[in-house]
Amino acid sequence: EDQVTQSPEALRLQEGESSSLNCSYTVSGLRGLFWYRQDPGKGPEFLFTLYSAGEEKEKERLKATLTKKESFLHITAPKPEDSATYLCAIPRSGSARQLTFGSGTQLTVLP
Amino acid sequence: GAGVSQSPSNKVTEKGKDVELRCDPISGHTALYWYRQSLGQGLEFLIYFQGNSAPDKSGLPSDRFSAERTGGSVSTLTIQRTQQEDSAVYLCASSPHRGGYEQYFGPGTRLTVT
Repeated sequence: EDQVTQSPEALRLQEGESSSLNCSYTVSGLRGLFWYRQDPGKGPEFLFTLYSAGEEKEKERLKATLTKKESFLHITAPKPEDSATYLCAIPRSGSARQLTFGSGTQLTVLP
Repeated sequence: GAGVSQSPSNKVTEKGKDVELRCDPISGHTALYWYRQSLGQGLEFLIYFQGNSAPDKSGLPSDRFSAERTGGSVSTLTIQRTQQEDSAVYLCASSPHRGGYEQYFGPGTRLTVT
């Protein structure tokens, strides 16, 4: 059965304190891994797609990496505006049109 | 360009009433999805439309839920005889790819059943 597990559930950082969020997955034949950012009261905002182990994508202070079992979202020198819930998702092995989402990591960056 | 839009943004209804939620996808996107996000829960897939193909309804939780998509664009999710457990944020997403790759989400409709 497909599974997506994110850790930690919540993370509090001081401004400038770099860290990483983890997304581990179990699926039969990975067809992409997606990272989203969700602000309170808003829909998820697409950040990255990763397709194969070793792939990396960067956007501002965020860098996503992928291995055969997990993905990391590295946040370098975060700012308070990076505070949000970060979600990862994978297409289901039986139907790529359905995404299985993790429960998210709630990131708070303190000034 | 314009993103996915949803209306209403908030809906409060009494138990037993029917509700309709609307989604306008990004122009040109052929795939449209509905998800439900309950408080403290992850996103739950409900239904998927792709072009003129029959929709994938495998995520609908009961026969009180239905959805249609007219003209390959606007979609309406209907919940009949609402129950308190239907209270959640209903999110719509659209995608330009048949395979369901990157999905772009609307702001959601917060439904509260009293």
